[in-house]
Amino acid sequence: GAVVSQHPSRVICKSGTSVKIECRSLDFQATTMFWYRQFPKQSLMLMATSNEGSKATYEQGVEKDKFLINHASLTLSTLTVTSAHPEDSSFYICSARDYGLGGAQYFGPGTRLLVL
Amino acid sequence: GDSVTQMEGPVTLSEEAFLTINCTYTATGYPSLFWYVQYPGEGLQLLLKATKADDKGSNKGFEATYRKETTSFHLEKGSVQVSDSAVYFCAISGGGADGLTFGKGTHLIIQP
Repeated sequence: GAVVSQHPSRVICKSGTSVKIECRSLDFQATTMFWYRQFPKQSLMLMATSNEGSKATYEQGVEKDKFLINHASLTLSTLTVTSAHPEDSSFYICSARDYGLGGAQYFGPGTRLLVL
Repeated sequence: GDSVTQMEGPVTLSEEAFLTINCTYTATGYPSLFWYVQYPGEGLQLLLKATKADDKGSNKGFEATYRKETTSFHLEKGSVQVSDSAVYFCAISGGGADGLTFGKGTHLIIQP
């Protein structure tokens, strides 16, 4: 149980284009999902908290107009990187909180974004 | 704000050695504590957790005890295997709808 999927697993795009990443909780409902960013050989940094049916809460320093988050259902959250630039290249990881399993977060496998 | 400090790696051990990875934290309030593991090429997996003082989380031979007096959550295993080679992250959560605050990760290498 407690499986979270992400799609795509990796994406290469041209500078200036937008990229959408999907995060799904496959066997549980998640009212709260989280988006993290991981740079090479560094830890995960929380970008935003995605709440079903309401606006996302962004961490300080994260541009909400650049990283659009939508949490339209209890099993799906999307992150759209708008007008991507090379400095947005990173590993993006989502997680979902399952309150029925002690509140632990379960992580997706991550999406590798490369902006040329 | 909350922060997590864990020992820098890489940590290299021989198979069947005893493992300790130190983790300390600072937090406002009463956090829940977690260890996550990231195997090569895979996503993070929850290894174990503890939600209150003196709780011991355990899984796959790994253990960690919530020490409120020392604000620590050290990860231990009595006899490591090559398959334990991975990056281990200590993390805390303030509860509610909070995201996790992670340590920088410790790369563990087990040699046969």
